[in-house]
Amino acid sequence: DVKVTQSSRYLVKRTGEKVFLECVQDMDHENMFWYRQDPGLGLRLIYFSYDVKMKEKGDIPEGYSVSREKKERFSLILESASTNQTSMYLCASSFSLDTDTQYFGPGTRLTVL
Amino acid sequence: GNSVTQMEGPVTLSEEAFLTINCTYTATGYPSLFWYVQYPGEGLQLLLKATKADDKGSNKGFEATYRKETTSFHLEKGSVQVSDSAVYFCALRGDYKLSFGAGTTVTVRA
Repeated sequence: DVKVTQSSRYLVKRTGEKVFLECVQDMDHENMFWYRQDPGLGLRLIYFSYDVKMKEKGDIPEGYSVSREKKERFSLILESASTNQTSMYLCASSFSLDTDTQYFGPGTRLTVL
Repeated sequence: GNSVTQMEGPVTLSEEAFLTINCTYTATGYPSLFWYVQYPGEGLQLLLKATKADDKGSNKGFEATYRKETTSFHLEKGSVQVSDSAVYFCALRGDYKLSFGAGTTVTVRA
C-alpha cells in the first residue's frame, strides 16, 4: 500500500513565524501535491512538484513556497505565517500526472495565533 | 476552467437508509471523475473512480455512473451503516490537477 506521511497532525504557531510542513511518500511517486482544506471550499491546490527540484504553482500559491530536494520528500513553507493560513493541510502523491490516482496523507491541522 | 458542484450538507440518515449525494461538473475535454471519502481524523481516501462516459465506479457498496449528457457523477449507496459517516468529496481531473467539490458531511445514526 502507498503510504504518505506528514510530520505533524497538529501544529500551533504564532503570526510571523516561519513554518515548515513535511511530507514523505514511500512509493517512488514522481508527483507530489500540497492542498489546503477549508469548510465549504473543499480542497484547493497550493503547489505541486513533478520531479526533484521542480515545482509549479497551483490555484492559491500566495504566501507559500515549497521545496523538493529528494524524490520522496516535499515540504511546504510558510515564510511568515498569518492567521488566514489557519487550515488543514493535505499532502498527496501520484505516479503520473495525467492518469493516476492521488494518494493522500492524514493532514496537518495548523493554527496560527 | 474546471469546476465541481456537489450537494450541500450536512446529511443525516438512519442506518439502512438510501444515500444519494449529487455531483455535477463543468470541464473541457474528457475528465476523469472521482469520489473521495474522509473519515473523522483522517486524510482523504479514494472511494471510486470512472475515466470515461457511462463507466460505473463501485466500492464498498457505493456506486457512481459517469453521465456525460448530464455532466453528473452522483454517489449512491442502497443501505448505509454508521461506519459510513464521513465527508464525501466529488472531484475531477482535467489535465494534471484535481478539482474538488466543497464536500458533503454525512452522519448515519444507529
